[in-house]
Amino acid sequence: TQLLEQSPQFLSIQEGENLTVYCNSSSVFSSLQWYRQEPGEGPVLLVTVVTGGEVKKLKRLTFQFGDARKDSSLHITAAQPGDTGLYLCAGPPGGNTGKLIFGQGTTLQVKP
Amino acid sequence: GAVVSQHPSRVICKSGTSVKIECRSLDFQATTMFWYRQFPKKSLMLMATSNEGSKATYEQGVEKDKFLINHASLTLSTLTVTSAHPEDSSFYICSAQGAGSYGYTFGSGTRLTVV
Repeated sequence: TQLLEQSPQFLSIQEGENLTVYCNSSSVFSSLQWYRQEPGEGPVLLVTVVTGGEVKKLKRLTFQFGDARKDSSLHITAAQPGDTGLYLCAGPPGGNTGKLIFGQGTTLQVKP
Repeated sequence: GAVVSQHPSRVICKSGTSVKIECRSLDFQATTMFWYRQFPKKSLMLMATSNEGSKATYEQGVEKDKFLINHASLTLSTLTVTSAHPEDSSFYICSAQGAGSYGYTFGSGTRLTVV
């Protein structure tokens, strides 16, 4: 069974600080996605990484896919209170089922 | 972009009753939709894969007789929680994959409270 281990699970930082969230697996994923979820809402897709070693930037967010496609990271520069939320990595397990499995999630709180 | 509408957003029901949750893809056809359950401050747990015109595929440990899934059309899947009990209280979320895309669009979720 493919698993995604996400760390840290909780992060509370001050506005302006940088942070990195990690998503690791012992298995290879064809792609990984990062979502952000606010309380009472469904997850919203931030990015999909497909190629090993790929780096994608979304304003102050930088996403990286590991060379071996077993891990990914999300780095936020100069965090803002508006970045507060639950960040989830997800990927399709083996086989062409269309399913997604999720990491445990990282709850980020950015204090003003 | 792809939009998935989920209804209702909140529902409170009495123990023993059944509740139906709808998931609609508004601007695209979804032959496959997915139902997740999420506990407070936890991640999403896949419950089942809903297949248009055929039986749903349930994940291990999910009771198919309790969580009935119907995918009657290419734009609508329903999840019915039968004979609900307080332990079924949770946040239920559906998702659908747009044709030719890697990303999945999620509904806004349904907060079910069983009293």
